Amino acid sequence: QTVVTQEPSFSVSPGGTVTLTCGLSSGSVSTSYSPSWYQQTPGQAPRTLIYNTNTRSSGVPDRFSGSVLGNKAALTITGAQADDESDYYCVLCLGSGIYVFGTGTKVTVL
Amino acid sequence: EVQLVETGGGLIQPGGSLRLSCAASGFTVGTNYMSWVRQAPGKGLEWLSVIYSDSTTYYTDSVKGRFTISRDKSKNTLFLQLNSLRAEDTAIYYCARMALDGFEIWGQGTTVTVSS
Repeated sequence: QTVVTQEPSFSVSPGGTVTLTCGLSSGSVSTSYSPSWYQQTPGQAPRTLIYNTNTRSSGVPDRFSGSVLGNKAALTITGAQADDESDYYCVLCLGSGIYVFGTGTKVTVL
Repeated sequence: EVQLVETGGGLIQPGGSLRLSCAASGFTVGTNYMSWVRQAPGKGLEWLSVIYSDSTTYYTDSVKGRFTISRDKSKNTLFLQLNSLRAEDTAIYYCARMALDGFEIWGQGTTVTVSS
């Protein structure tokens, strides 16, 4: 069974930069997996940040950017703000209509 | 306004069935890829199923054979039929419109609790 791995937690200072990653239990992530990223705060539905590796969803500030770095997908937050404190999830399309969410990363801004 | 509204959740006994609905506005369900995603209490997000515009469907292994995704074009509504429910199916269930293999628009979710 394929597992999509993310760092459990990250801490970033206000105004700082943090890069979250999204990897595969076996193999490398490439753009062909169409990585996407979602932000979720407690009690709320997920909010789409990035899809198709690096396309920002409507209304998402440009301090959020997506890429593939090495063998993982990555979400970079540049100039972190207090309201960026959330859980972040990636999704990979494994082909044949199968999608898998990552394990999620809790980001703390302090 | 593009919007998704899920309904149909509730308390159900183990082994029971439930049908979730996801009413769409501002776009046509039948011409988009649509998915269901759930989140168990205190856990992460889990993709469950997708229906493509050509009606092809796919499921994650844990719900294959128990859950069925469908749509009614005349009502512009997506459905998820949940059968043989187990305690571990307790979760918030979200529907989502997809774009470029990502989840673009989300509903607010409906809660399913499986308990005796």
